[in-house]
Amino acid sequence: EVQLVESGGGLVQPGGSLRLSCAASGFTFSSYSMNWVRQAPGKGLEWVTYVSSTGSPIYYADSVKGRFTISRDNAKNSLYLQMNSLRAEDTAVYYCSREAFGLGSYKFDYWGQGTLVTVSS
Amino acid sequence: AIQLTQSPSSLSASVGDRITITCRASQGISSPLAWYQQKPGKAPKFLINDASSLESGVPSRFSGSGSGTDFTLTISSLQPEDFGTYYCQHFNSYPLTFGGGTKVEIK
Repeated sequence: EVQLVESGGGLVQPGGSLRLSCAASGFTFSSYSMNWVRQAPGKGLEWVTYVSSTGSPIYYADSVKGRFTISRDNAKNSLYLQMNSLRAEDTAVYYCSREAFGLGSYKFDYWGQGTLVTVSS
Repeated sequence: AIQLTQSPSSLSASVGDRITITCRASQGISSPLAWYQQKPGKAPKFLINDASSLESGVPSRFSGSGSGTDFTLTISSLQPEDFGTYYCQHFNSYPLTFGGGTKVEIK
């Protein structure tokens, strides 16, 4: 069974840092690209960042570019999101998701349960 | 960045109704959109890309279609368990984006 389990969320002050982790199991982690998607309270989904199966290339949303860093450790079946210079508008539930390709199209076919990040003084 | 505009933003329909959600892209997209369903407090669930890419276990009453800039998600006969918010997403280029969502309520 495919499982993605996020951890590391919590309350942080503006300007602070936080590192999220996503532990993957039930599939060959090193074969899949991964993404982080966030959802602010009461709002819609926002794609944050992508990393390929090998660790490169990497892409970011403009809203986090220069502040967030995605990485992965295929030996540990883990995905990470280092978040620096956090702002109130980064407050959201952060989901890791697996990206798959089949029948000529892409999809985020598995998602974690999410971890809440709250940026507030 | 490609913007995706969903309409309507919300709808209320009866069990058995046929409903259609539209997703319009700000520029042409070369691959099918992905559609997700999200229920309160839960992670999104992938449903479908296009008519031939229904996720395993998703009821056949869900269908997707479209090309270019206009895409639709249709539920042919709305069921009580279909409540939630539906999102479209493109994979045409980075940054990826989601539509703003369509909240579906059951009358």
